[in-house]
Amino acid sequence: EDKVVQSPLSLVVHEGDTVTLNCSYEVTNFRSLLWYKQEKKAPTFLFMLTSSGIEKKSGRLSSILDKKELFSILNITATQTGDSAIYLCAVNNFNKFYFGSGTKLNVKP
Amino acid sequence: DADVTQTPRNRITKTGKRIMLECSQTKGHDRMYWYRQDPGLGLRLIYYSFDVKDINKGEISDGYSVSRQAQAKFSLSLESAIPNQTALYFCATSRGDREVYEQYFGPGTRLTVT
Repeated sequence: EDKVVQSPLSLVVHEGDTVTLNCSYEVTNFRSLLWYKQEKKAPTFLFMLTSSGIEKKSGRLSSILDKKELFSILNITATQTGDSAIYLCAVNNFNKFYFGSGTKLNVKP
Repeated sequence: DADVTQTPRNRITKTGKRIMLECSQTKGHDRMYWYRQDPGLGLRLIYYSFDVKDINKGEISDGYSVSRQAQAKFSLSLESAIPNQTALYFCATSRGDREVYEQYFGPGTRLTVT
C-alpha cells in the first residue's frame, strides 16, 4: 500500500529556533516529492524534489531528498511566527499525489 | 483572478440532501483532482480526472460522484449527504505530461452536514 508518513504530528517552538520536519514514504513509481505550507486555507507550494542529495533552498527554508532511504526533511531556520502552519508532504507517482497527515508547527513569540 | 476557483466556499446542508461542489480552472491543465481534508488526516483523494473522458476513483470515493464537464470544470457531488462527510474539500489541478509538476489548489469549500 502506498503511503506517506510525516513526523512529528505537531511541534511548538519559539521564534529563532530551528526546526526539522520529516517525511518518509513508500510509493511505487516515485516521480517527485513535494512540500506544501497550509495556513488558513489552501496549501501553497514550497518545494519539489526529484533527485537525491540536492538541497532546495528558499530563504530560511530548505529541503533535501534521500531516495535510497525514502525520506525527505524540511528545515526552517530562525523561525518566525509567520511560519506557523501545517506543513504537508506529498509524493507523486505517474497518476496520483499521496499526502501525509501533515506537521502542525506553532511558533511562539 | 484566482487560477483555481471553487464554489461555494462554505455550505451547511442537512443529512440526505444532494449537494454539488464546483471547481473551475484557468490554468489550462489537463488533470484535476478532488480531495477532502479532515483534522489530522492530511488530504485524501476522492476522484481524479486526466481529461474529460478519463475519470478515476481515489481512495475514498464511496458516497461521492464527479462530472468533468469540460477541461476547465470538475464537479463533485454528494448524492445523499451524511454527517461524516463534514470536511474541507479541495480541488486541485496539475499538468499532465512526461515532466513532473506540482499541484495547484483552489481555496477550499467548507462543508457541514447536520
